[in-house]
Amino acid sequence: QQQVKQSPQSLIVQKGGISIINCAYENTAFDYFPWYQQFPGKGPALLIAIRPDVSEKKEGRFTISFNKSAKQFSLHIMDSQPGDSATYFCAASSRSNYQLIWGAGTKLIIKP
Amino acid sequence: EAGVTQFPSHSVIEKGQTVTLRCDPISGHDNLYWYRRVMGKEIKFLLHFVKESKQDESGMPNNRFLAERTGGTYSTLKVQPAELEDSGVYFCASSQGGGLALSQFFGPGTRLTVL
Repeated sequence: QQQVKQSPQSLIVQKGGISIINCAYENTAFDYFPWYQQFPGKGPALLIAIRPDVSEKKEGRFTISFNKSAKQFSLHIMDSQPGDSATYFCAASSRSNYQLIWGAGTKLIIKP
Repeated sequence: EAGVTQFPSHSVIEKGQTVTLRCDPISGHDNLYWYRRVMGKEIKFLLHFVKESKQDESGMPNNRFLAERTGGTYSTLKVQPAELEDSGVYFCASSQGGGLALSQFFGPGTRLTVL
């Protein structure tokens, strides 16, 4: 019940294209869903987060889509750039238990 | 404002030895977390401090791991004695209290290799 399943494991997208990474969760107690971006040798950096009371959140080229009934959420990167090449992690937590439950990560490569 | 810092960045030790990892959270952040990523697997929660108190240590793998946060500032994670399966990257994160507690900011990690 604690798992967060992330796909795909790796993704190659042409520059200017849309990158889409998907996550699914089981625990309906989760009420906070962040995405983290990690570059080699660095720690994960909070990119964007959503709560289940909204279906979409957009910040610049990054959008989270959230489907509460399906228990799924996804990250869309519009106009993908080579600088977006990184590993992306989805996660989930709740206000009753702050520990983040992580997806396995997606290695994204943007081809120039 | 300085971010979360961790020391050392890398540590290579022999099985059976002791290693102590240190984390300095962002100033003023009451919440401090330790996570670990074993190679090829997902990041897993180890424990959560609120100030100097352990709020949740459900993720600590066994009693060879000891975390402290004296004075509610920096934290240490000691592994004694280290085993081969303890190898991985140990991340520390911190967050503010109240409604911003869920926004966790991560350090660069300590890569631990046990030979």
